[in-house]
Amino acid sequence: NAGVTQTPKFRILKIGQSMTLQCTQDMNHNYMYWYRQDPGMGLKLIYYSVGAGITDKGEVPNGYNVSRSTTEDFPLRLELAAPSQTSVYFCASSYGQGSYEQYFGPGTRLTVT
Amino acid sequence: KQEVTQIPAALSVPEGENLVLNCSFTDSAIYNLQWFRQDPGKGLTSLLLIQSSQREQTSGRLNASLDKSSGRSTLYIAASQPGDSATYLCAVRLISGGYNKLIFGAGTRLAVHP
Repeated sequence: NAGVTQTPKFRILKIGQSMTLQCTQDMNHNYMYWYRQDPGMGLKLIYYSVGAGITDKGEVPNGYNVSRSTTEDFPLRLELAAPSQTSVYFCASSYGQGSYEQYFGPGTRLTVT
Repeated sequence: KQEVTQIPAALSVPEGENLVLNCSFTDSAIYNLQWFRQDPGKGLTSLLLIQSSQREQTSGRLNASLDKSSGRSTLYIAASQPGDSATYLCAVRLISGGYNKLIFGAGTRLAVHP
């Protein structure tokens, strides 16, 4: 199985544009997450989902939206992109909470100019 | 508020050295602690997960210890190799509310040269 896949790998946006970052997992995991990683920093949680139809905010949700219509997919939507959203975005999934490990995708490097 | 700090921020060593990477956290009420490896342009790979009731975990040349009461964890890498060059991230899982979230440190960037 492919694990967690993300598209695109790279993207450059102009200020005010919108885009959707795609994330798919084929491990039948209930939990999915979106993180951002700024240069020299750790990952910060943007949104998470505990199952299809259920999403909730993480630490830094402003400027983003998510949906979870299927178990496999968890897209992240950026509306009105701003330079502050320049970052590397990681999607992750896990079977459950607690002792269950999170599996990460390869990331999407986004630049907003 | 939980904060995770990793020291040093960067480390460059010759091949064959034994290494210790440090991670400290401010709130000892954690569910577990996880060490990840991050290669440039790639996602995170989980290396070791230590439950709060455990003191250490080992995998090959890697050994991670956890001292919850003092808020510290160390990742020990034995006989380092150039292939170990990567950024190593520490993350703690909090016990809070209905969701156990991960709080990450900024990482230690390791370079092992031949």
